[in-house]
Amino acid sequence: SQKIEQNSEALNIQEGKTATLTCNYTNYSPAYLQWYRQDPGRGPVFLLLIRENEKEKRKERLKVTFDTTLKQSLFHITASQPADSATYLCALEMDSSYKLIFGSGTRLLVRP
Amino acid sequence: NAGVTQTPKFRILKIGQSMTLQCAQDMNHNYMYWYRQDPGMGLKLIYYSVGAGITDKGEVPNGYNVSRSTTEDFPLRLELAAPSQTSVYFCASSDNKRGANQPQHFGDGTRLSIL
Repeated sequence: SQKIEQNSEALNIQEGKTATLTCNYTNYSPAYLQWYRQDPGRGPVFLLLIRENEKEKRKERLKVTFDTTLKQSLFHITASQPADSATYLCALEMDSSYKLIFGSGTRLLVRP
Repeated sequence: NAGVTQTPKFRILKIGQSMTLQCAQDMNHNYMYWYRQDPGMGLKLIYYSVGAGITDKGEVPNGYNVSRSTTEDFPLRLELAAPSQTSVYFCASSDNKRGANQPQHFGDGTRLSIL
């Protein structure tokens, strides 16, 4: 079955730097991949979706890449701010269905 | 437009008790989902529904039941609570009438402890 790996260690960076988070998957390449943000005590919030035929997607300071050869997606936040501190979840379609399988998330801490 | 609303926000149950977690959405989404999230783990799909009257099992359905009598509501039932069901439960919905690749919208969760 499909498995997703996200770095379980928190990423600690200085304000203004670029944060890069990694999502690796193990089996078939999904048709699309999604990224969510989750704050403590809150539900996940959708950020970006990238399709298998898209190499890169941007939204304001966010950028997502999708490399089906490496079976990897990278999530970048440029000019990071303390307000970007949260846990970021990667999600892939499950078994070519409308269902998603989620990674365990990577916690990002942006120091002022 | 409230989005996805979950009640209650917190609950403590004794082993063997039953309860229903409520979920309602006002976005006219056809798909709805129930997940559980354990500390340091990803979201695990419990049940999902593609429309009123249609439900199906996810990855971890044992110990739970659902129903979907209306488009708006998707309650999750725990019949005999067990300590292993201590978790945070999230309900989500998506508008898949336009096809796949749609984002999911989440409620803020129900924190459930079984003692």
